[in-house]
Amino acid sequence: QSVLTQPPSASGTPGQRVTISCSGSSSNIGSNTVNWYQQLPGTAPKLLIYSSNQRPSGVPDRFSGSKSGTSASLAISGLQSEDEADYYCATWDDSLNGWVFGGGTKLTVL
Amino acid sequence: QVQLVESGGGVVQPGRSLRLSCAASGFTFDSYGMHWVRQAPGKGLEWVAVISYDGSNKYYTESVKGRFTISRDNSKNTLYLEMNSLRAEDTAVYYCAKDRDSRGSSGPNYWGQGTLVTVSS
Repeated sequence: QSVLTQPPSASGTPGQRVTISCSGSSSNIGSNTVNWYQQLPGTAPKLLIYSSNQRPSGVPDRFSGSKSGTSASLAISGLQSEDEADYYCATWDDSLNGWVFGGGTKLTVL
Repeated sequence: QVQLVESGGGVVQPGRSLRLSCAASGFTFDSYGMHWVRQAPGKGLEWVAVISYDGSNKYYTESVKGRFTISRDNSKNTLYLEMNSLRAEDTAVYYCAKDRDSRGSSGPNYWGQGTLVTVSS
């Protein structure tokens, strides 16, 4: 049972916009920024969004992040087949004194 | 470019020990916090531990406290994870990851390719 709650799956067709949610509490998302990671099949995770809404250089602007209260969201617009991957949110938890990850969301491009 | 190369994984019996290493290059190692994150087969990511740039601060997930020790040798640009009293549930791919800041408080931004640890009799 993850501290951060994500839907186990999401899907969309090419060109569509999809959003993935990440729900937490006051001790984690409520008081810290959120990172999002993309893990393509058989590969190591890659940082997609940091500080809740910032993109590292090289990440397409089709990917965007937001945070409100104790929840965060990752939006992917103009969905492409290569976006099919697992997506994870992560943040620091002040009560646990450690980093926590969401359970992950498997995105399928139909 | 940032490179993180893990080593030391393998098959180990329950109750035994193993030490993982992560060789870092392409950045100023002694300026950044470092993490270990694991992923059990077919499961999600689980953060394990973080160490600050100078080794003065370390934090662990509850399930490994008292059994695992994270450390670093800045003269060798190497991160370690000493794992004792291993259990079947420790079976996972272990990733070494670099943080965006010196204390390890911003989260991983670069990851190694991982090393597989299998705990089995």
